[in-house]
Amino acid sequence: EAQVTQNPRYLITVTGKKLTVTCSQNMNHEYMSWYRQDPGLGLRQIYYSMNVEVTDKGDVPEGYKVSRKEKRNFPLILESPSPNQTSLYFCASSSLPDEKLFFGSGTQLSVL
Amino acid sequence: GDSVTQMEGPVTLSEEAFLTINCTYTATGYPSLFWYVQYPGEGLQLLLKATKADDKGSNKGFEATYRKETTSFHLEKGSVQVSDSAVYFCALGHQGGSEKLVFGKGTKLTVNP
Repeated sequence: EAQVTQNPRYLITVTGKKLTVTCSQNMNHEYMSWYRQDPGLGLRQIYYSMNVEVTDKGDVPEGYKVSRKEKRNFPLILESPSPNQTSLYFCASSSLPDEKLFFGSGTQLSVL
Repeated sequence: GDSVTQMEGPVTLSEEAFLTINCTYTATGYPSLFWYVQYPGEGLQLLLKATKADDKGSNKGFEATYRKETTSFHLEKGSVQVSDSAVYFCALGHQGGSEKLVFGKGTKLTVNP
């Protein structure tokens, strides 16, 4: 089954404790992206990657890191999480130049 | 820059009512337009799309027509069901890649039996 898999689904952590949210897709997609969803703000792009070893900033990259060492994986790293990073995070992928995005089920992150 | 404006929610309807969710956009060139739907507890999924002026996208009884003259892409459904309860996102993109997708803020729809 074609899918984008994120882990964990829920995460509660404390300020400053480094964490990684994993994302994997099994569709051989070139493009992958991370979004955060906040009430009243909709979906905002954090980082995206056009292919292996190619990443770029989205609209709200501060406080986040990503890497794309393999085509299928695109982890999101929070080196020192802060409470304003409490949000619902989505990973997505697509096959370029198709514009249809496939989304993961989301990761609800709470930073205390 | 590009932007998408959706009607404020939430929207609450009774089953079999007519649905309209307004979406207008500002963009350079000739963008493609999309509606994505997010069911409770899930990620977004593409509902329908239109790639040029006057195109009509349709899926699962939903329709939206790309109106260049009014820069709009309103979502409609003639008779909603309880299972249509979800958050709906309008989005625009430019051909050549999904990295330029711009999403609206989303409109929450609740359909009561």
